[in-house]
Amino acid sequence: DVKVTQSSRYLVKRTGEKVFLECVQDMDHENMFWYRQDPGLGLRLIYFSYDVKMKEKGDIPEGYSVSREKKERFSLILESASTNQTSMYLCANGPGQGAMTDTQYFGPGTRLTVL
Amino acid sequence: TQLLEQSPQFLSIQEGENLTVYCNSSSVFSSLQWYRQEPGEGPVLLVTVVTGGEVKKLKRLTFQFGDARKDSSLHITAAQPGDTGLYLCAGAASGTYKYIFGTGTRLKVLA
Repeated sequence: DVKVTQSSRYLVKRTGEKVFLECVQDMDHENMFWYRQDPGLGLRLIYFSYDVKMKEKGDIPEGYSVSREKKERFSLILESASTNQTSMYLCANGPGQGAMTDTQYFGPGTRLTVL
Repeated sequence: TQLLEQSPQFLSIQEGENLTVYCNSSSVFSSLQWYRQEPGEGPVLLVTVVTGGEVKKLKRLTFQFGDARKDSSLHITAAQPGDTGLYLCAGAASGTYKYIFGTGTRLKVLA
């Protein structure tokens, strides 16, 4: 059974704190993604990675950075958390065979609240 | 910027009714996917459509990709409470690994 694990299901942080969200996959997939999900806005891509140490900005990268030191692990970093980063964060991965038909496998999400 | 608009945003129906969810864009996509997300879980892929005009069936669910590959629909026949969830469409942006997700349709089927 394929597995995508996110480090926390719920997280509460204070404004200005540095926040790490971690995602681990056991599918040996090339591509990994970080999205945030907000009501009425769907999923918006923050960053994605198509190989170890490779990353590309998505549609809303401001205030975030990422790290991919190993193939199975993709971390999202909020350098200085702000209240407008309160959201559901979803990690996903895909085999990298081509965007046209790739399935994305999602983790269960981390609901982050920034006070 | 490519956008995908879904309608309706919310839908509450009785068990046994039929429904259709729409996913529209002014942009052309290489392919389009539909996902269902249940509370507390990540989205799970239902189907991928690639060819303009393509129709795919998954039990009581029928998916169609528009001829011009700018829109798609999901039709559910005889809805059941187990169909309750958030339905998301996602379009593959040409030449990249990026997916553009729609705004979502939250469906509730009452027993």
